[in-house]
Amino acid sequence: AQTVTQSQPEMSVQEAETVTLSCTYDTSESDYYLFWYKQPPSRQMILVIRQEAYKQQNATENRFSVNFQKAAKSFSLKISDSQLGDAAMYFCAYRRYSGGGADGLTFGKGTHLIIQP
Amino acid sequence: SAVISQKPSRDICQRGTSLTIQCQVDSQVTMMFWYRQQPGQSLTLIATANQGSEATYESGFVIDKFPISRPNLTFSTLTVSNMSPEDSSIYLCSVLPGGEGDTQYFGPGTRLTVL
Repeated sequence: AQTVTQSQPEMSVQEAETVTLSCTYDTSESDYYLFWYKQPPSRQMILVIRQEAYKQQNATENRFSVNFQKAAKSFSLKISDSQLGDAAMYFCAYRRYSGGGADGLTFGKGTHLIIQP
Repeated sequence: SAVISQKPSRDICQRGTSLTIQCQVDSQVTMMFWYRQQPGQSLTLIATANQGSEATYESGFVIDKFPISRPNLTFSTLTVSNMSPEDSSIYLCSVLPGGEGDTQYFGPGTRLTVL
């Protein structure tokens, strides 16, 4: 079974600075998808960024980027120029490639990100 | 993208009763899922809602406790049966509009409290 580990229960960063959230995963699959979701206090799950395992290039979405290390099974999220609106729980998630249907997501335990003004 | 609504948004129920949660999507989607998020915890997949057939349940979840229906490509229900305080959680509906390579979207969740 796949597992996703987020070793940082809570992180704090000053506004406008950069923070990196860690995520490691365990899988025997070679094809899969990785995601970072954000859950603010409103509890709405919002996709931040996604990465396909077959792509060597790290995904980037504006201030958000990932460092995907497939051999190390590591998928960290970097948030640049942190803003107050970035404060939320961040969940790393995995979905294997199933070649037809689709599995649900396996989530890590989450990292609570605090932005200090 | 897909816009997902859930009803009710929250409820307080007595133990031993059942609650049915509805999930409505604004467009036809390939896959629908139900997740549970216990207080202060991460999300756990309950089941995949299959259109026109029985749902596929994850380990630890059974149909008698969490019956699921999906009569068409835009709607699904999750029932939490014979509730106990341990069922107090947020229940989230999620969809994959276009299949495997697509982005998975989440509904706003239903916050359930069982007394």
